[in-house]
Amino acid sequence: QVQLQESGPGLVKPSETLSLTCSVSGGSISDFYWSWIRQPPGKGLEWIGYVYYSGSTNYNPSLKSRVTMSVDTSKNQFSLRVNSVTAADTAVYYCARLPREVVASTLFFYVDVWGRGTTVTVSS
Amino acid sequence: QLVLTQSPSASASLGASVKLTCTLTSGRSTYAIAWHQQQPEKGPRFLMRLNSDGSLIKGDGIPDRFSGSSSGAERYLTISSLQSEDEADYFCQTWGIGSVVFGAGTKLTVL
Repeated sequence: QVQLQESGPGLVKPSETLSLTCSVSGGSISDFYWSWIRQPPGKGLEWIGYVYYSGSTNYNPSLKSRVTMSVDTSKNQFSLRVNSVTAADTAVYYCARLPREVVASTLFFYVDVWGRGTTVTVSS
Repeated sequence: QLVLTQSPSASASLGASVKLTCTLTSGRSTYAIAWHQQQPEKGPRFLMRLNSDGSLIKGDGIPDRFSGSSSGAERYLTISSLQSEDEADYFCQTWGIGSVVFGAGTKLTVL
C-alpha cells in the first residue's frame, strides 16, 4: 500500500523560500503524476501543481511564477519550492498521487492517495 | 472556467442517510469527479471516483455505506446508516486541461 510522507521546515520567514519533500513508500514513483495541494487555516483545498515522474510539470496559474516542483526517482521522492513567501502561504501542505487513466474514452485524473500533511507557517 | 459548486453545510441524524451534491460548471456535464473525506484534524482521504454515467470505483477500505451517482451536471455522494465518524468535510475534485480543481467542500454534521 502506497504511503506518502511530507517533510520540511514548519516555519519560514517572509520573502524566503519554502521547501518541502514528499517521500513515497510501498510503491514506485514511476508511471504516476504527483501533486502538491495546500489548505490555509479554516479554508478549502487549493491545488498547487503536479509533476510527472519524468520531470514534466504543470502549475496553478495563480502560483506559477513562484513555484517549482521536481522529482528524484532514485530516492522515490518529489519536492516543492515556493519562492518569496508571505503570510498568505501559511497552510497545511499535502502531497498526493494522481493516477491518470483513460477508460472508454473518459479521462480520469484524480487524487487517490494523500499524505498526512505538514503545517507551514510563514512568520518572522 | 471549470468550477465545482457544493453547499457549505448539511446535517442528518445518526443512522439516517444523506445525499451531498457537487455541481459541475455549465457545459461540463460529461466530466467525471472524485469525492474525498476530511475528518476533523485529519488529512483528506479518497472515497471514490465517479463518472458521468454513475459508474464508480471506491478507494481501499471504503464501506458500502458510501455510494455515488450522477445526473446531468450533478454528482452525488450518498452516505447511508450515518455514523458519528462520518461527521467530516466532503470535497469533490475534477480535472481540466493541465489543471486540478476542488470544490469548496460540504461540512456534514451528524445529529
